[in-house]
Amino acid sequence: AQSVTQLGSHVSVSEGALVLLRCNYSSSVPPYLFWYVQYPNQGLQLLLKYTSAATLVKGINGFEAEFKKSETSFHLTKPSAHMSDAAEYFCAVSTWGMRFGAGTRLTVKP
Amino acid sequence: DAGVIQSPRHEVTEMGQEVTLRCKPISGHNSLFWYRQTMMRGLELLIYFNNNVPIDDSGMPEDRFSAKMPNASFSTLKIQPSEPRDSAVYFCASSPNRTVGYGYTFGSGTRLTVV
Repeated sequence: AQSVTQLGSHVSVSEGALVLLRCNYSSSVPPYLFWYVQYPNQGLQLLLKYTSAATLVKGINGFEAEFKKSETSFHLTKPSAHMSDAAEYFCAVSTWGMRFGAGTRLTVKP
Repeated sequence: DAGVIQSPRHEVTEMGQEVTLRCKPISGHNSLFWYRQTMMRGLELLIYFNNNVPIDDSGMPEDRFSAKMPNASFSTLKIQPSEPRDSAVYFCASSPNRTVGYGYTFGSGTRLTVV
């Protein structure tokens, strides 16, 4: 079965600092991987997805993620954090019926 | 595009009552998913439909839960009877294609509180 594990339930960074949210996957076949963001009292919004084309995927709001097969990882990064990036972030793998990680809450300090 | 529309946004009900959550997917999307989100269990896939047909309901927690999709533009998730442990946020999502590489569009959710 396919699954994802997010490392760190909470991450705190200063405004302007690098954001790094970690996700490792487990899959016996080439996976489709996704990152979603959830703002308070809202649904999930797709940030980016990996579907076996380019290994470096660019998404919305300046986020990107790199698929590394050797490390079974799909970490999310952003060079410079903004206050508006504070939210919950979910990594997901798509078997038919998407499975989500436990989420990482990002806090951005002024 | 109005997105995925869920109603109601909030529901408070007494234990033992029937609860019905509603979802209107994006027009043209032929796959629909129901998720439940809690602090303890995170996001759980309850059931999904393709072309109005339930494909996998293995995530439905108990027989008290049932879901229907009578047509391409409407789905319901029903809990009867409701229990306090059903309190959660329930999300509906839709996708345009059965191919697994598509992302999902989520509704804003229904926050259910069973007292």
